[in-house]
Amino acid sequence: AQTVTQSQPEMSVQEAETVTLSCTYDTSENNYYLFWYKQPPSRQMILVIRQEAYKQQNATENRFSVNFQKAAKSFSLKISDSQLGDTAMYFCAFMTLYSTGTASKLTFGTGTRLQVTL
Amino acid sequence: GAVVSQHPSWVICKSGTSVKIECRSLDFQATTMFWYRQFPKQSLMLMATSNEGSKATYEQGVEKDKFLINHASLTLSTLTVTSAHPEDSSFYICSGVGLAGGRLYEQYFGPGTRLTVT
Repeated sequence: AQTVTQSQPEMSVQEAETVTLSCTYDTSENNYYLFWYKQPPSRQMILVIRQEAYKQQNATENRFSVNFQKAAKSFSLKISDSQLGDTAMYFCAFMTLYSTGTASKLTFGTGTRLQVTL
Repeated sequence: GAVVSQHPSWVICKSGTSVKIECRSLDFQATTMFWYRQFPKQSLMLMATSNEGSKATYEQGVEKDKFLINHASLTLSTLTVTSAHPEDSSFYICSGVGLAGGRLYEQYFGPGTRLTVT
């Protein structure tokens, strides 16, 4: 079974600064995807960034980037130039892609609550 | 991007009654839909997975007779909470997976439904 661990329940960062959220996972699968989702106070789940396990290059989306260390099973999220609108709950998630071409369910971490302050 | 809607966004019902929540994929065909439950300040807990035209697969510990899921078409899935009790009060989120903008296997989340049972 897959597990996803987020060891930081809460974090705080000042506006314009950089913050890194950690995530580790455990799996015996070789073909999988990793995601970071943001859940603001509205509670709408928003995809921040995704990483395919077979890609060595770390994914980036504007101010968001990941540090994917496959051997260490680590998938951290770096937010640069933090903005007040980044205040939210952040969930790391894992999904397996089976050889049949079907996708597994998402396994979520427990989340990290990020507060961006002035 | 792919859009998933949920209706209603907030519902209050009396103990013992049933309530139906609709989940619609507006601009893509969702071959698979997922239903989650989320308690305050906690992560998403998968309740069940439904494929269009098939019976839903429930996660361990989820009462299938209490949480009825129907996925009758590629754009609509419903969750009916039968004989609701106060402990069923929660935030329910659906997501859809399908070919949307070329991103297969990516889950697109609805905005959620807050259920309060009095």
